[in-house]
Amino acid sequence: QQQVKQSPQSLIVQKGGISIINCAYENTAFDYFPWYQQFPGKGPALLIAIRPDVSEKKEGRFTISFNKSAKQFSLHIMDSQPGDSATYFCAAGYTGRRALTFGSGTRLQVQP
Amino acid sequence: DTAVSQTPKYLVTQMGNDKSIKCEQNLGHDTMYWYKQDSKKFLKIMFSYNNKELIINETVPNRFSPKSPDKAHLNLHINSLELGDSAVYFCASSQADRDAEKLFFGSGTQLSVL
Repeated sequence: QQQVKQSPQSLIVQKGGISIINCAYENTAFDYFPWYQQFPGKGPALLIAIRPDVSEKKEGRFTISFNKSAKQFSLHIMDSQPGDSATYFCAAGYTGRRALTFGSGTRLQVQP
Repeated sequence: DTAVSQTPKYLVTQMGNDKSIKCEQNLGHDTMYWYKQDSKKFLKIMFSYNNKELIINETVPNRFSPKSPDKAHLNLHINSLELGDSAVYFCASSQADRDAEKLFFGSGTQLSVL
């Protein structure tokens, strides 16, 4: 029930294209859904987060879409750039449990 | 000025040894964590401490013993190291009652057990 399933495992996108990563969860107690970006040799860093009272959140080129009834959420990276090449993790958490459950990660490669 | 710092960055040791990893945060956060990232990049919570009190222990072998001397520090001691302990260990912190989704991670300690 604590699982968050993430796909695809890896993704290759051309510069300027749209990168889409999907996640699904089971536990309806989850009430916040962040995305983290990790570069090699570094710790993950928060990219963008959403709470289930909204269906979409946009920050610059990054957008989270959230579908509460389907228990799914996704990250869209518009106009993907080579500098976006990194591993992306979706995560979920709920008030009262002081820990995030992470998806398995997506390795994104943006080709110039 | 590093927000979450952990030392050492690399740790290479023999099976059966005991080792420690130290973590400090200067963000004034009330909650600190240890996460383990395996060779497939999967990130799994090990421990969570809130104001020096252990609140999550996620079925970690008791060879792993966290210690939080104060709110700003969370150390991890590992006894009798095994090959399967090889991984990257991340310390993180957050202000859990306000920005629970926003974890600040250290740069990791890569542990290699030979």
